[in-house]
Amino acid sequence: AAGVIQSPRHLIKEKRETATLKCYPIPRHDTVYWYQQGPGQDPQFLISFYEKMQSDKGSIPDRFSAQQFSDYHSELNMSSLELGDSALYFCASSLVGLNEQYFGPGTRLTVT
Amino acid sequence: GESVGLHLPTLSVQEGDNSIINCAYSNSASDYFIWYKQESGKGPQFIIDIRSNMDKRQGQRVTVLLNKTVKHLSLQIAATQPGDSAVYFCAETHAGGTSYGKLTFGQGTILTVHP
Repeated sequence: AAGVIQSPRHLIKEKRETATLKCYPIPRHDTVYWYQQGPGQDPQFLISFYEKMQSDKGSIPDRFSAQQFSDYHSELNMSSLELGDSALYFCASSLVGLNEQYFGPGTRLTVT
Repeated sequence: GESVGLHLPTLSVQEGDNSIINCAYSNSASDYFIWYKQESGKGPQFIIDIRSNMDKRQGQRVTVLLNKTVKHLSLQIAATQPGDSAVYFCAETHAGGTSYGKLTFGQGTILTVHP
């Protein structure tokens, strides 16, 4: 069965650079969630989209923005990167009304 | 703010034993509780969930128990296998408003199964 796809899987950036993470949800899923997981930490909710509209917002820095496109894929844009942004970034997708979220393999972002 | 946390950060068991992973939550408005398994380098994998109007739910080799009186959630794994070694997170979510679907994760328990 098709799963959530994230790209790239690994990304190395320098401080103050920008990064774009992509997420392709499971076909027919209409809701996308982004989570950030620091080393040894639990995933923290960043932002979610339903039918291309932002549905909820968590602890997402103003330097980050995201959107969901007409094909339901989503992109997380991160600017002015800081060392503390180094983390695993997960995307999850679901069908609205269902609580089961399917997670992608994550993008490991390293800021040097 | 609301949080979901775990009592034990690590758990080591022998293959074939039963494992119990515990979780405490603080948001009494939560509608759903979910257990996720995360293997190294992978995303969280859904194991089982339970609605707030239930006390127990069983899956294949796993059982989740919910005690709303003391706001406690547990995951029981029967006949634990080496492949069960992973980090286990509990998470909560609730319907309604703008927070629908957003997961709040607990700290995570590292389960190590020794052959």
